[in-house]
Amino acid sequence: DAGVIQSPRHEVTEMGQEVTLRCKPISGHDYLFWYRQTMMRGLELLIYFNNNVPIDDSGMPEDRFSAKMPNASFSTLKIQPSEPRDSAVYFCASTEDRAYEQFFGPGTRLTVL
Amino acid sequence: KQEVTQIPAALSVPEGENLVLNCSFTDSAIYNLQWFRQDPGKGLTSLLLIQSSQREQTSGRLNASLDKSSGRSTLYIAASQPGDSATYLCAVTGNNRLAFGKGNQVVVIP
Repeated sequence: DAGVIQSPRHEVTEMGQEVTLRCKPISGHDYLFWYRQTMMRGLELLIYFNNNVPIDDSGMPEDRFSAKMPNASFSTLKIQPSEPRDSAVYFCASTEDRAYEQFFGPGTRLTVL
Repeated sequence: KQEVTQIPAALSVPEGENLVLNCSFTDSAIYNLQWFRQDPGKGLTSLLLIQSSQREQTSGRLNASLDKSSGRSTLYIAASQPGDSATYLCAVTGNNRLAFGKGNQVVVIP
């Protein structure tokens, strides 16, 4: 398996623009997680899905953020409109079971000017 | 809310010395504890996973212990090498979410 795949790897956009981040989990993994990493706050869980259903979105910072998982092999994280404070590295991770180890993608480095 | 602390934030050791990294967490109701490695500008690589019923896990030069009752875990890296230079993150799984510490940034000096 190729591991967790994320795209794009880097995204630079201007404030107010819509940003869509994409993730393909490892095949057979029923759980998918979106994280954000910043120097100030470290790694924070934004939302996670189980069998394509959002289970806990309490980490989503505000209504400008939304996430979907239309099928078992694809998820998106959308920011609309984007703001400079959204600049961070966004990671996607997947696992077979919440008690098992999580496997992380390479991340998307987002810069909002 | 689970709080995970890793101290010190950064440390340097000469090559060949054993590394000892500490992690503490506030809520002992966890499923497991995971140690990750992160290289600059890269994603996270899982090193070791300790289930809540286990006391330790070993992989090569790495050994991680877990004391759930005291809310502590220690990662030992034997005979450190310059290639071990990275940030090491501790994360605990509990209440359906993974909570991370901010990491120990390690530099192994040749």
